[in-house]
Amino acid sequence: GAGVSQSPSNKVTEKGKDVELRCDPISGHTALYWYRQSLGQGLEFLIYFQGNSAPDKSGLPSDRFSAERTGGSVSTLTIQRTQQEDSAVYLCASSPASRTSDTQYFGPGTRLTVL
Amino acid sequence: GEDVEQSLFLSVREGDSSVINCTYTDSSSTYLYWYKQEPGAGLQLLTYIFSNMDMKQDQRLTVLLNKKDKHLSLRIADTQTGDSAIYFCAERIYGGSQGNLIFGKGTKLSVKP
Repeated sequence: GAGVSQSPSNKVTEKGKDVELRCDPISGHTALYWYRQSLGQGLEFLIYFQGNSAPDKSGLPSDRFSAERTGGSVSTLTIQRTQQEDSAVYLCASSPASRTSDTQYFGPGTRLTVL
Repeated sequence: GEDVEQSLFLSVREGDSSVINCTYTDSSSTYLYWYKQEPGAGLQLLTYIFSNMDMKQDQRLTVLLNKKDKHLSLRIADTQTGDSAIYFCAERIYGGSQGNLIFGKGTKLSVKP
């Protein structure tokens, strides 16, 4: 079946602009995660959605970052007033559930470049 | 706090075995994972091991877990040029409110012909 998809694959924006990144999880997966991968760094957790529960936003680096998940499926990560340090690859992952060994399946990522 | 550490680079010759090492700090880890990332691509799950296991083998891949030392390794037998990638170790913490994984910074494996 189809895997996790993300769009756009690449986004170049000017400092101060807002951007929206989209994630389509695998159908039926209740858990959805956003991570950020900066050059030379590992993956940094941003936010986690599980079913209809309130999202865990503890990884968001500032209040310029927000995310929503509509209808328990598609998720949008929004970065307002982008800064150059926001340049990174933003990865989305989904999994069937969060309690056990359920594996996270990753999308190809969106490469964001802030000029 | 949680931390996962890996060496950043590993270079091997084609046909040799590769061993990528990882250490973690949280003793409540339940599952430990190895992901592979090829250039320009997302993360691909290679294998995972439950924390009460010592070893798991899957074709050319062998995962060894030393829970006492909090040390995890991934051995790739008969390494091929197609194995060149960045390999991430990750741990999943039991009981946390987060469902996220804690990742290391990745080990870049270079395979020379």
